[in-house]
Amino acid sequence: DQQVKQNSPSLSVQEGRISILNCDYTNSMFDYFLWYKKYPAEGPTFLISISSIKDKNEDGRFTVFLNKSAKHLSLHIVPSQPGDSAVYFCAASDNNNDMRFGAGTRLTVKP
Amino acid sequence: NAGVMQNPRHLVRRRGQEARLRCSPMKGHSHVYWYRQLPEEGLKFMVYLQKENIIDESGMPKERFSAEFPKEGPSILRIQQVVRGDSAAYFCASSLTQSEKLFFGSGTQLSVL
Repeated sequence: DQQVKQNSPSLSVQEGRISILNCDYTNSMFDYFLWYKKYPAEGPTFLISISSIKDKNEDGRFTVFLNKSAKHLSLHIVPSQPGDSAVYFCAASDNNNDMRFGAGTRLTVKP
Repeated sequence: NAGVMQNPRHLVRRRGQEARLRCSPMKGHSHVYWYRQLPEEGLKFMVYLQKENIIDESGMPKERFSAEFPKEGPSILRIQQVVRGDSAAYFCASSLTQSEKLFFGSGTQLSVL
């Protein structure tokens, strides 16, 4: 069962504009959410996380928003840079569960 | 390099052979996870191990696949009698505690001819 869903397989934005990547989840027990970034031929690397007690976490150009009632989170990148082009995975876990990942969204930032 | 180390990076096997994938977690990490990524798909959870114990293997096929994380040495993901459908990138990750952020290795690309 797909507990974490990223419905957009790809996203293309212009350099300098905002990138918004979305993620939905079905398990209401999830209480910790993360975004990972993956370049080709490399393992995913941690980008940013948010606990369910918060609704926003910001780190430089990256902000994650959590809407618990909608079971939805999003990653905002602003301004987007060509080096941000990668596959972004949303992940979620709870204390008794393993981390589950979405299918990923391929972001392309055009110069 | 204190990161998660996976080897080999690339592994080619013929149908029916065995594949052994190795993963050394980050220093101090006792939680190891294996994920599989098929072409054009996301990361699929396979198995979660803590030293010498399999905690959750719900994502691992019941046949031909096994995993271990011995007291000494790396974690091993073993695939017996490989088939073409096993061709994928296999990623190992480790964490300090369960459900904390995972640190991933660079993966092993398995190709079954």
